[in-house]
Amino acid sequence: GAGVSQSPSNKVTEKGKDVELRCDPISGHTALYWYRQSLGQGLEFLIYFQGNSAPDKSGLPSDRFSAERTGGSVSTLTIQRTQQEDSAVYLCASSLDFAGGNTEAFFGQGTRLTVV
Amino acid sequence: SQKIEQNSEALNIQEGKTATLTCNYTNYSPAYLQWYRQDPGRGPVFLLLIRENEKEKRKERLKVTFDTTLKQSLFHITASQPADSATYLCALDTGRRALTFGSGTRLQVQP
Repeated sequence: GAGVSQSPSNKVTEKGKDVELRCDPISGHTALYWYRQSLGQGLEFLIYFQGNSAPDKSGLPSDRFSAERTGGSVSTLTIQRTQQEDSAVYLCASSLDFAGGNTEAFFGQGTRLTVV
Repeated sequence: SQKIEQNSEALNIQEGKTATLTCNYTNYSPAYLQWYRQDPGRGPVFLLLIRENEKEKRKERLKVTFDTTLKQSLFHITASQPADSATYLCALDTGRRALTFGSGTRLQVQP
């Protein structure tokens, strides 16, 4: 069975450009998360989608960041007017449900974003 | 604010020894705590989940303890092997309904 798929795996972009990162979660998983991981650092929460509920956007670092999840499946993270500090690995994860953390999260391989 | 602390220094041990990694948290009482393994260039992979009413959980050579009084979880790998070398992350629900991760501890097992 397919796991969580992210594309592209690597993205180099010029400062000021917009980028879109895509995540295909495991089929049937209602919860989807985006995290960011800078070199040698832990995972920084960005945004969480759960079914048809309003997403938890509390981790987005600025209004240049946005995400959507269409049809309860595929998600796109968009970064507008990219800055060098946006360079990081962006990880997507999905799970059957969240329910307080009693469900394991399945991660994609990540998108390595480099802003030059 | 909530904080999850893992030893940021790498842990170096000899093959065959037991590795013990620590996860401490403050200002929250999670019902569950999870441990993940992350290899370079890869996403984290789930290892174990322990509930607040469980003192200990085992899976093959792995053992996790959860002390809700000390607000601490210990992660043990017995009979460690070089293939166990990776970064290990603890994660828990801090009330946000998305897992919050510690920064991880890198384990290096020397042959």
